[in-house]
Amino acid sequence: EDQVTQSPEALRLQEGESSSLNCSYTVSGLRGLFWYRQDPGKGPEFLFTLYSAGEEKEKERLKATLTKKESFLHITAPKPEDSATYLCAVQAKETSGSRLTFGEGTQLTVNP
Amino acid sequence: KAGVTQTPRYLIKTRGQQVTLSCSPISGHRSVSWYQQTPGQGLQFLFEYFSETQRNKGNFPGRFSGRQFSNSRSEMNVSTLELGDSALYLCASSRAGDRGEREQYFGPGTRLTVT
Repeated sequence: EDQVTQSPEALRLQEGESSSLNCSYTVSGLRGLFWYRQDPGKGPEFLFTLYSAGEEKEKERLKATLTKKESFLHITAPKPEDSATYLCAVQAKETSGSRLTFGEGTQLTVNP
Repeated sequence: KAGVTQTPRYLIKTRGQQVTLSCSPISGHRSVSWYQQTPGQGLQFLFEYFSETQRNKGNFPGRFSGRQFSNSRSEMNVSTLELGDSALYLCASSRAGDRGEREQYFGPGTRLTVT
């Protein structure tokens, strides 16, 4: 069974204080690892897809990296508007379709 | 380009009733997936439809069902509602070819409250 564990559950940062969120996964064969951002009362917003170990992707203050067992979402010099819940999900190769298995998320708060 | 739309946005139902939720995917997207989100269980996969056929199904009871129409719009139905069905129901669409490896884009969700 595919499993995704995210840590920490919650993270509070000061504006400008860089940090990383962790996503550990267990899957029989990884087709893709996805990062989403979710604001309260809204649907998840797609951020990145990573397909193979060593791959990195960047968007503004966010950088996602992937190893064979985990992924990191690095947040550089965060701003209050980066406050949200960040979700990690995996898609297994054995899945014929688009099914995603999600972690519980990391709730990020950035104080001004 | 319009995003994924879901209707209604909010719904209050009584135990034992049934409910139908609707989802319109992004134009050109053929795959529609449904997820249930609750504080205790997080996001859990319900089912996926592709070209009007159910391609994947999660571990939910048979009270949860869905369908997809020829224009890719999808509906999900929950019969005999239970208090535990209170959740945010999210629809996601993707371009998804046969291997389904493309990213999914989520709608705003339908907040269902069962009393």
